[in-house]
This record gives sequence, C-alpha cells and structure tokens, in this order.
Amino acid sequence: AQRVTQPEKLLSVFKGAPVELKCNYSYSGSPELFWYVQYSRQRLQLLLRHISRESIKGFTADLNKGETSFHLKKPFAQEEDSAMYYCALGGGANSKLTFGKGITLSVRP
Amino acid sequence: DTGVSQDPRHKITKRGQNVTFRCDPISEHNRLYWYRQTLGQGPEFLTYFQNEAQLEKSRLLSDRFSAERPKGSFSTLEIQRTEQGDSAMYLCASSLGGGLEQYFGPGTRLTVT
Repeated sequence: AQRVTQPEKLLSVFKGAPVELKCNYSYSGSPELFWYVQYSRQRLQLLLRHISRESIKGFTADLNKGETSFHLKKPFAQEEDSAMYYCALGGGANSKLTFGKGITLSVRP
Repeated sequence: DTGVSQDPRHKITKRGQNVTFRCDPISEHNRLYWYRQTLGQGPEFLTYFQNEAQLEKSRLLSDRFSAERPKGSFSTLEIQRTEQGDSAMYLCASSLGGGLEQYFGPGTRLTVT
C-alpha cells in the first residue's frame, strides 16, 4: 500500500531562516515523489517533482530511497513562502497521487 | 485556457438529497482525477478517467457515488442520498497523460446539513 507521512503539522520560522519540511513514504514499487503547495485562497499547484531535479523558488528536495524520504528544503525562507505544503507519492500505471496530511509553513518577518 | 474549472464552488444540501458536481479539465488533457479532502487531511484519491473510460475507483467511493466523463471532456461526480460524512472539498485534476503533472481545480466545497 502507498503511504505518505508528514510528521509535523506546523513549522514557524523567521524570514531568512532555513526550512526543512519532512516527508517519508512507503511504496513497494518505483516511487514518483512530488511536493504540492497551496497558497492562501489559491488552488493546489505543483512545486517540484523528484524526476526533474529542479530548484523551484529556491526549494529543493532529494529522493533518498534508503531512508524512503523526500524532504523539502530551502536555505533562506521568505514571507511569501508561507503556505500549506503537501508531499505526494505517485507511481504505477494509474499515476494516482497519495498525499500526506500537509504542513503549514509560516514565515514571520 | 484558464485551467481546470469546477462548478459549483460551494454546495450546501440537506442529508438525503442528491448532488452533482462538474469538472472541466484543461482541453487537451486526457486524464481526469477526482479527489476528496476533509479538514486536516491531504486530498484522497477517488477515481480517474483516461478519456471517457473510468479505469479505477477507490474503496472510498461507495455505491452512492458515481462519476462519468461521457465524451472524454468534462466530468460529473454525483452523490446520492448524501450523508453528513460526505461533507468535504471535492477536487478535480487533469493531466496530459500518466505520470505527468496533475493540474488541480479550485474544488467544490460540499456541506451536508
């Protein structure tokens, strides 16, 4: 069975501080991992996926198959990063996404 | 194309009534997904279509739920005999194919009183 765990519900940091949002997954096949973000009053949107290995808005995430983790990191948080972040797991022919419960990131000035 | 759209955005209904939601995907996208999100949870997969074919349904989708995508374009999700436990945000997403980025709609918030 596919499962995604985001162990924290809220992370509050000051502007300029480093951020790490944790995500662990359970999946027997070849996983595809994603981070989705939802800003206030906006729809859910893709932030990044492990296949592309891109840095989006200063965020990066590395897939660690040994630790079954896909933590999201940013060295210097900005106020506009405040949002809800969801880690999601895809894979298989149907490509359905299994989401974690999400974490609220609050960046204070 | 303004992205995935959903209608209505909000629906309040009394227990036992039937409701129907509509999703219009991005026009060239052949895959369409429905998810449900309750308070404090991430979205949960309900069902998906490849063109007009419904290829998978989650166990979350009881027999009171039915979804269609008659011409491989828009999709409808109907809930019969609504229950208070059906209160949730219903999200639609579309993608150009399997394994590709899913684009989400704004959701339909259902409240069953």
